[in-house]
Amino acid sequence: TAGITQAPTSQILAAGRSMTLRCTQDMRHNAMYWYRQDLGLGLRLIHYSNTAGTTGKGEVPDGYSVSRANTDDFPLTLASAVPSQTSVYFCASSDSGLASGNEQFFGPGTRLTVL
Amino acid sequence: TQLLEQSPQFLSIQEGENLTVYCNSSSVFSSLQWYRQEPGEGPVLLVTVVTGGEVKKLKRLTFQFGDARKDSSLHITAAQPGDTGLYLCAGAVRNRKLIWGLGTSLAVNP
Repeated sequence: TAGITQAPTSQILAAGRSMTLRCTQDMRHNAMYWYRQDLGLGLRLIHYSNTAGTTGKGEVPDGYSVSRANTDDFPLTLASAVPSQTSVYFCASSDSGLASGNEQFFGPGTRLTVL
Repeated sequence: TQLLEQSPQFLSIQEGENLTVYCNSSSVFSSLQWYRQEPGEGPVLLVTVVTGGEVKKLKRLTFQFGDARKDSSLHITAAQPGDTGLYLCAGAVRNRKLIWGLGTSLAVNP
C-alpha cells in the first residue's frame, strides 16, 4: 500500500509564480491536511478537509488555497509564491476529522524553495 | 494560544545511554500522540496515550501520560543509532485541532 504520495519531491520556484503541490492517498481516509514544517516553528497546519467537498483554514492559511473534489486528492495551490513560503510541505490524512485526535499518516513531503 | 512545550530541544548521546524527553502543557488533552520523524520523511506515529497515568511500552521506549493529562514523557532505554530522529508530541483537545510540539532532535552516536 502506497499510503500518501506527494509530488513533486522538491521544487525551486521564482517569486510571483504559481504552483500546485499534489497529494494523493489510497487509504480512503475521510480527512486530509496540509502542513508546513520550518526550523524553530515546527509543524503548522495550513488547510484541512474533514471530508470530500469541505475544506477549512488552519493556523497559516494566507497565500494558500486547497480543494477536495474527491476522497483521494487534496492539492495545495500557491497563487503567487513569496520567499517566506520556502518550507517543507507535508500532506497527511486520518480516518476521522480534525477534532477526532486520530492518528495522522504523513506523506514524504515536498521541499519548496521560493527565490 | 495553546502551547505544547517539548524538552530538551536537542539531545546528543552515546549508544547504550538512557534518555527522557518531556512534553508539557497547561491544557488538558483528550489524548496525546508521539511521532518519530527521520530525515527526509514525514512523521510516523509511535503511540497514542488516552488515560491519565497510562504507561505504554514499545520495545525499549516507554511512554507515560500524566495523571492530569497535561503532560507526557518518552523514555528510551539503551539508545541505539536507529533511534536517531525528531520526536514530536501532539495533543488532541476535545473538538479542537491537534496541537503539535516543536520536537526533540535526538542523535545517538555509535
